[in-house]
Amino acid sequence: AQSVSQHNHHVILSEAASLELGCNYSYGGTVNLFWYVQYPGQHLQLLLKYFSGDPLVKGIKGFEAEFIKSKFSFNLRKPSVQWSDTAEYFCAVNAPRNKLIFGAGTRLAVHP
Amino acid sequence: KAGVTQTPRYLIKTRGQQVTLSCSPISGHRSVSWYQQTPGQGLQFLFEYFSETQRNKGNFPGRFSGRQFSNSRSEMNVSTLELGDSALYLCASSFRSSEGADGYTFGSGTRLTVV
Repeated sequence: AQSVSQHNHHVILSEAASLELGCNYSYGGTVNLFWYVQYPGQHLQLLLKYFSGDPLVKGIKGFEAEFIKSKFSFNLRKPSVQWSDTAEYFCAVNAPRNKLIFGAGTRLAVHP
Repeated sequence: KAGVTQTPRYLIKTRGQQVTLSCSPISGHRSVSWYQQTPGQGLQFLFEYFSETQRNKGNFPGRFSGRQFSNSRSEMNVSTLELGDSALYLCASSFRSSEGADGYTFGSGTRLTVV
């Protein structure tokens, strides 16, 4: 069965700091990988996705993620965070035509 | 194009009652998935419908059911409501990309409170 693990439940950063959120999954076959963001009081929005091809994926708002197949990882990065990045971030995985499974989420708080 | 529309946005129900939530997917999307989001359990998969057929099911009791209509709109029903059913219920609409993979767009959710 698929599962997703997000290493950090809460992260606190100052503006301009670099961000890396860890995500590992367990599934032996081909997977599709996603990062979603949920701003306070808002719905889930897709940040970026990986289906195939270049393992370094660029998303919206300056976010990027790298798929490392050998490590079953899909970590999210941003070189310099802003206060407006305060949100909850979810990593999600699915095998093609299978259900989308979410990690527990990471709450990011960015202080000015 | 219009996004995923969920109605109603908010619901307050009494224990023992039943409730029906609605989801209209993005035009052209044939798959609808439902999720329950709570602070303690996070996002948990309920079920997925594709072309009116249930394709996947999560680990929820039989009180949770769903269906999909020929126009791809979906409803989920919860019978005999319990306090623990209080949650944000999210619907996701999916398409089939050129790679044959699925992408998901979420609605704003229905906030269900059971009292």
